[in-house]
Amino acid sequence: EAGVAQSPRYKIIEKRQSVAFWCNPISGHATLYWYQQILGQGPKLLIQFQNNGVVDDSQLPKDRFSAERLKGVDSTLKIQPAKLEDSAVYLCASSFGTSGRTLFFGPGTRLTVL
Amino acid sequence: AQRVTQPEKLLSVFKGAPVELKCNYSYSGSPELFWYVQYSRQRLQLLLRHISRESIKGFTADLNKGETSFHLKKPFAQEEDSAMYYCAPALMNNNAGNMLTFGGGTRLMVKP
Repeated sequence: EAGVAQSPRYKIIEKRQSVAFWCNPISGHATLYWYQQILGQGPKLLIQFQNNGVVDDSQLPKDRFSAERLKGVDSTLKIQPAKLEDSAVYLCASSFGTSGRTLFFGPGTRLTVL
Repeated sequence: AQRVTQPEKLLSVFKGAPVELKCNYSYSGSPELFWYVQYSRQRLQLLLRHISRESIKGFTADLNKGETSFHLKKPFAQEEDSAMYYCAPALMNNNAGNMLTFGGGTRLMVKP
């Protein structure tokens, strides 16, 4: 089966600019996650969707980050405006259900904010 | 506060030596526990889960509730085991039940 797809793979922007990331989960997976992984750290959950509804966004910096999953399939994560500390790899993952703990990860988008 | 700790950032062993990657968690309940692995230039993927009591690629992990630890072990390391390993307990989140939380990771290097 096709895996989780993400684009772009790399992005370099200047601080205060905006950026958007796209994720297409595995077909049939209802749950979608966005993680932020700063260099040298483990992934940190930003937001979790169940179909097109938000299950948890308690760690999403809502003053600058937003995410949507309008049709319950693809998702976009946006940062506006970006700060230097947003430099990280942004990982998208999907799972079959909310109780399943087997997460399938995409390749990630490496963001560099200058 | 609930958290997961992997005390070693880097673990270097020779091929054939035993390996133990440590994971400690602080949690008042009984979390589900997982190990995820990321090989060079590959995606993060599930290695094993404690509930399955399985051995994957020769690795096992024992849950010690008394010590709140979930260490990953392999008796004889192979060069292909070189990777980043993340302990990931599912800890209680008020919004969404049990939330998968990743430790900081341990890089395992197996030397020939």
